[in-house]
Order: sequence, then structure tokens, then C-alpha cells
Amino acid sequence: AQSVTQLDSQVPVFEEAPVELRCNYSSSVSVYLFWYVQYPNQGLQLLLKYLSGSTLVKGINGFEAEFNKSQTSFHLRKPSVHISDTAEYFCAVILMEYGNKLVFGAGTILRVKS
Amino acid sequence: GAGVSQSPRYKVAKRGQDVALRCDPISGHVSLFWYQQALGQGPEFLTYFQNEAQLDKSGLPSDRFFAERPEGSVSTLKIQRTQQEDSAVYLCASSQGQGAWGYTFGSGTRLTVV
Repeated sequence: AQSVTQLDSQVPVFEEAPVELRCNYSSSVSVYLFWYVQYPNQGLQLLLKYLSGSTLVKGINGFEAEFNKSQTSFHLRKPSVHISDTAEYFCAVILMEYGNKLVFGAGTILRVKS
Repeated sequence: GAGVSQSPRYKVAKRGQDVALRCDPISGHVSLFWYQQALGQGPEFLTYFQNEAQLDKSGLPSDRFFAERPEGSVSTLKIQRTQQEDSAVYLCASSQGQGAWGYTFGSGTRLTVV
């Protein structure tokens, strides 16, 4: 079975500090990996995705993530956060053998403090 | 339209009532997905349409849940005899092709069963 684990339910960080949101998945086969952001009372917005190629993926709003196949991880990073980055972040995977549906982690709430 | 539109945005139903949630995907998008997001959790897959064909309904939690997309555009998720555990945000997403990497999510319908 496929699953996605987001290790931190909440991450508090001061403005302009770096942040890493952790994501691990359980699969021994090829995966497609995604990070989504959800602001209060809004839908999900795609931050970045890994389909193939370079393991370092750059997304919107200065976020990036690195696919590590040996550690089955896809951690999200930003070198300097802003107050406006306060939101909930979801890691998600697709295993094509199970169709093209996204399987989401439980989410990590990023709280940026001034 | 410019985005995925869901209506109503909020719905309060008395236990035992039937509800219908509407999703207007982006014009021309072939694939349509429904997800259920309970409070404090990540979205969970419910069902998937390719045009008017419902190709995967493995995530529907019970036979009280029914989805349709009769003309391959607008979709309706119907929940019969609502229960308190049905309270959640119901998210719709559409994609131009068959791949999920091009998902656009709507803002969701928040269903509260009292």
C-alpha cells in the first residue's frame, strides 16, 4: 500500500529564517511527487512537482524540494520565509500502477512569526 | 471558466438529509476528481471521471455516496441520508489530460451535518 508521512504537524518559524517541511513516502517503485499549499478557506495550489529528471525541483514562491530515492523522501525547503507563507502544506504522491489519483499526507501547518 | 468552481461554498444539513454538491471544471478538462478533506487531515480520494466515464470510485466510503458527470463537464456528488461523519470539505479538481500532474483544485464545499 502507498502512504505519505509528513513528520511534523506544525512548524513554527520566525520570519526570514529557513524552513524545511519533511515528507516521506512508502513505495519501492517509481513515483511522482508533489507539494501543495492551502491557505485558509481556499483550495489546493500546486507549489512544485517531481516527475523525472533532476532531483532538485524549484517551485513557486521561492520553494524547492529534493527527491531522495534511497531515503524515499521529498522534503520541502525555503531559505527565507515570509509572514505570507503561513499556510498548510501537503505532500502528495502518485503511483501510476494504482491509477493517476493523488495520495496526500496529513499536512504540515507552517506558522511564520514576526 | 478560469478556474474550477464549486457550489455551494457552505452547506449545513440535518442528519438524514440528502445533499448535492456541484463542480464546474475548467472548460475542456477531460479528467475530474473528487476528494474529501476531514478537519485536520489531508484530502482523501473519492472518485475519478474521464469525460463522462467514472473510471475509479474506490474511495467512495459507502453506497450513500454517488457521483455523476453525465455530459463530461459538470459533476455532482450526492450524499444520501447524511451522517455526522460526512462533515468535511469536499474538493473537486480537474485536469486537461489523463495525468494528475495538471490538477487544478476548486475552493471546496464545506459540509456540516448537524
